[in-house]
Amino acid sequence: EADIYQTPRYLVIGTGKKITLECSQTMGHDKMYWYQQDPGMELHLIHYSYGVNSTEKGDLSSESTVSRIRTEHFPLTLESARPSHTSQYLCASSPGGGSEQYFGPGTRLTVT
Amino acid sequence: RKEVEQDPGPFNVPEGATVAFNCTYSNSASQSFFWYRQDCRKEPKLLMSVYSSGNEDGRFTAQLNRASQYISLLIRDSKLSDSATYLCVVPLRGAGRRALTFGSGTRLQVQP
Repeated sequence: EADIYQTPRYLVIGTGKKITLECSQTMGHDKMYWYQQDPGMELHLIHYSYGVNSTEKGDLSSESTVSRIRTEHFPLTLESARPSHTSQYLCASSPGGGSEQYFGPGTRLTVT
Repeated sequence: RKEVEQDPGPFNVPEGATVAFNCTYSNSASQSFFWYRQDCRKEPKLLMSVYSSGNEDGRFTAQLNRASQYISLLIRDSKLSDSATYLCVVPLRGAGRRALTFGSGTRLQVQP
């Protein structure tokens, strides 16, 4: 089992609230990723990081932001949640750029 | 053309059947390939890595055809527990920092 954790697992929140989704890994991986996935749909990369203080946007435009101050921690923040942000958010890490990725259990976000 | 293309299925097969999925990719420079399994509302989990012509792990066999740029996954003696979505994963073109791209998945339903 991969040592990558996400909290909260489920979150229901009202429109306009600021939220932070947490992701931590204890494998010492430099590379970390955030994906967004709607039920039955494909994964979309929204952010990635190649190391501390390195973050870039992915394929899918997202209003969220990320930070990477510590190797093991890669939180995602939504400043003002909207119903369109309702989705599952999956965090992953990998030991190398083209290497396999290990996923956390995901955060299922519902914005009412 | 998409970086990775998969037949979405669903593939409905009886227990004990042999089933094969194909995946085509566009990045001819790709060296590493992966198959992931994703259960409904769960995170993707690594099933197999493919670095050369193929790989075998029990009932699962992955084959790589570089000339035709496709990867296949063969499942023998299907079990009910094999029911899931299978994701084909390859490095992005000019991979560099952006690592892997995930196919949209092939859904398998094994029936009693």
